[in-house]
Amino acid sequence: GAVVSQHPSRVICKSGTSVKIECRSLDFQATTMFWYRQFPKQSLMLMATSNEGSKATYEQGVEKDKFLINHASLTLSTLTVTSAHPEDSSFYICSALVGLAGAAYEQYFGPGTRLTVT
Amino acid sequence: AQRVTQPEKLLSVFKGAPVELKCNYSYSGSPELFWYVQYSRQRLQLLLRHISRESIKGFTADLNKGETSFHLKKPFAQEEDSAMYYCALKGKAAGNKLTFGGGTRVLVKP
Repeated sequence: GAVVSQHPSRVICKSGTSVKIECRSLDFQATTMFWYRQFPKQSLMLMATSNEGSKATYEQGVEKDKFLINHASLTLSTLTVTSAHPEDSSFYICSALVGLAGAAYEQYFGPGTRLTVT
Repeated sequence: AQRVTQPEKLLSVFKGAPVELKCNYSYSGSPELFWYVQYSRQRLQLLLRHISRESIKGFTADLNKGETSFHLKKPFAQEEDSAMYYCALKGKAAGNKLTFGGGTRVLVKP
């Protein structure tokens, strides 16, 4: 099946610095990827939709200047958390959209990245 | 707006007992409903979708439009079913975006 990887799996950074998280589709091309955020013991909340070759679409309440998304190739989307603050500490998960037979689609999820801002 | 509600945060059952995870949704059109599962230290993965009308790992779920529910059921729970389960909705107007419920942790005791 389709495999999605994320790098790094966990990262610790200092307040005010920026950190980049990569999401890769390993054995397929993904024109659309999604970025989610998950707080402890809470559900996944969609942050943005990343489209290859165009600007990301952000969900209401998500600051696009703080969470920069770049989908420069069909196998890579990156999320950069700029000027990180402790409240940005969270688990970030990406998924890639895979087309199936009959115009159906399925999302395949990455393993997630644990970000801790000190 | 679309919303998914999973009223139970934790379900604890004994091995061999039936288990039912509740999921209710609100959406004005015809949604697609899904159940995702996350085993310990593993990534989220699709368990089943309502349009497939299939049984996966002994689990079934029926979409009840009248009650706006998509409850997940298994008649005989196994220890390996212990995991976090998320109900999710995809509305046609929202493209392929998923809205997730809060999740239910299932613990199957021996």
